Amino acid sequence: ETGVTQTPRHLVMGMTNKKSLKCEQHLGHNAMYWYKQSAKKPLELMFVYNFKEQTENNSVPSRFSPECPNSSHLFLHLHTLQPEDSALYLCASSQDVNSNQPQHFGDGTRLSIL
Amino acid sequence: DQQVKQNSPSLSVQEGRISILNCDYTNSMFDYFLWYKKYPAEGPTFLISISSIKDKNEDGRFTVFLNKSAKHLSLHIVPSQPGDSAVYYCAASFVFGNEKLTFGTGTRLTIIP
Repeated sequence: ETGVTQTPRHLVMGMTNKKSLKCEQHLGHNAMYWYKQSAKKPLELMFVYNFKEQTENNSVPSRFSPECPNSSHLFLHLHTLQPEDSALYLCASSQDVNSNQPQHFGDGTRLSIL
Repeated sequence: DQQVKQNSPSLSVQEGRISILNCDYTNSMFDYFLWYKKYPAEGPTFLISISSIKDKNEDGRFTVFLNKSAKHLSLHIVPSQPGDSAVYYCAASFVFGNEKLTFGTGTRLTIIP
């Protein structure tokens, strides 16, 4: 059983749709992360939030919009996506960004753009 | 430019033998290294880590070795078990914590019964 839950597990959407990915952690952590994993590529960090404040935006296109209403929840709002955005999106959490305690990952959302 | 490299996409090892997974990095500022394990349809799970002040860290069947001069680390699993079959990711971060983990592309380990 994971302490980081992502919904939905699978999502198929058209390029003009708007959808959101949700991540919730029950570990009492203060930092949350979004990663993208495309086929045969390493996990790429997208966004980092520490105590609800965004501390990192890794040059992510504006069609991806993160939201962190509290330390337990993280959203990724999607709109006008492109086919190359099809990938596995992983959420993670850690005690905080300055801790060497490892990040805990959710099981991901598999996103397919038609 | 990939700063963390896992040059072997796959590895097959007989059950009971030693599995050795390798990882190379290019950024000498990396100070902390981690290995994650990933089963299909699941997220990565933390396995073991090592700080740059050490050259070895051991946890049960898993040992990570760090060679800073060669910018190389390896994960040893002994003895290998069927449940070890998974994709293994090497990751690195800077001294101030894990805000910016840089991952390798992974090595798929298959343990042959």
